[in-house]
Amino acid sequence: AQKVTQAQTEISVVEKEDVTLDCVYETRDTTYYLFWYKQPPSGELVFLIRRNSFDEQNEISGRYSWNFQKSTSSFNFTITASQVVDSAVYFCALSWDFGDDKVIFGPGTSLSVIP
Amino acid sequence: EAGVTQSPTHLIKTRGQQATLRCSPISGHTSVYWYQQALGLGLQFLLWYDEGEERNRGNFPPRFSGRQFPNYSSELNVNALELEDSALYLCASSFGTGGNQPQHFGDGTRLSIL
Repeated sequence: AQKVTQAQTEISVVEKEDVTLDCVYETRDTTYYLFWYKQPPSGELVFLIRRNSFDEQNEISGRYSWNFQKSTSSFNFTITASQVVDSAVYFCALSWDFGDDKVIFGPGTSLSVIP
Repeated sequence: EAGVTQSPTHLIKTRGQQATLRCSPISGHTSVYWYQQALGLGLQFLLWYDEGEERNRGNFPPRFSGRQFPNYSSELNVNALELEDSALYLCASSFGTGGNQPQHFGDGTRLSIL
């Protein structure tokens, strides 16, 4: 079965703290893609990053970093030195190439950064 | 490059009425997706169109329908509106149907049923 789990429903941190958002996935496909999206209070989802199943390199972009581990089926997202503007709902998503049921989103994690 | 545009921004209807929501994808994108996001909840997949064809639909009743036009824009129609249809409706587009293509979202249409 294809599934995305984000066990953390809500997280609150104080500004400048580091925070990690967890994403665990299940898939029967050997080729798949993982995504993170950010949904600020304004409502529009913003694409942050894509990872291919055959590329386990971690990635860093400014204060954001992503840790992809196939062995544990996880694709975690860390925000370093969090800021109030990071307050949003973050969605992890899983996609694959074939079939008509090609993407599923996790339930989302609501992050609140307190000044 | 213009992003995904949705109209209207807000829509207020009463029970039993019909609503039409519109979406224009990013230029060059052929796939359009519709999602429903009820308050405080995650994304519920509604419909996926590609090249004018309905490719998949989520677990929603038939009163939710849509279409994709030759210019790849799309409409979502909801008939016989019910109170629980109140939600943010998000449209997304992607370049082709490959799983590696990220979806790009519009700002959404907030539908309120009175």
